[in-house]
Amino acid sequence: GENVEQHPSTLSVQEGDSAVIKCTYSDSASNYFPWYKQELGKRPQLIIDIRSNVGEKKDQRIAVTLNKTAKHFSLHITETQPEDSAVYFCAASIGPNTGFQKLVFGTGTRLLVSP
Amino acid sequence: DTAVSQTPKYLVTQMGNDKSIKCEQNLGHDTMYWYKQDSKKFLKIMFSYNNKELIINETVPNRFSPKSPDKAHLNLHINSLELGDSAVYFCASRRQGTETQYFGPGTRLLVL
Repeated sequence: GENVEQHPSTLSVQEGDSAVIKCTYSDSASNYFPWYKQELGKRPQLIIDIRSNVGEKKDQRIAVTLNKTAKHFSLHITETQPEDSAVYFCAASIGPNTGFQKLVFGTGTRLLVSP
Repeated sequence: DTAVSQTPKYLVTQMGNDKSIKCEQNLGHDTMYWYKQDSKKFLKIMFSYNNKELIINETVPNRFSPKSPDKAHLNLHINSLELGDSAVYFCASRRQGTETQYFGPGTRLLVL
């Protein structure tokens, strides 16, 4: 079955630095890769996603890159702020979006941004 | 912010009891999910329903029985609760033809 590995498990940076979180997936049929941010005691919220026909996507300070050949995808946060502190999850989707579609999540990265 | 809602928010109960968690979405989505997030924050899919039909069952013990009375609701009934069932249970929904899943606020279950 699909397996998603995520590194690092914890990441501490100073405000203004960049943060990079990396994930690898096992199923070459995976076609959709979302990233979720989960603040303490809250629900996971989608912050950015990328589809398998795209290599890079950017939204202000957040960017995601995808290397389909290597089955790697990464989240890049620039100019980090204390409010970026949270647990970040990557996920890989298998199945068509018409019905059967399953997200397999990475193990999470706890990001701490110090002022 | 109430697009996907869950009740109750917190549930504390004794081992062996039976309890239910409810989920409702007002987004008009066709597919709904239950996830379990354990104490180590691992998020794992349990069930998925599409148009009231079960389409994913991830080898969850049969003490867990989901029910979808209509497209907007997905409930989870748990029989004979065990200590290991303590976790946060998240409901999520998705519109058919799109990929994005939207999560509910979670139900924090503690089994004593």
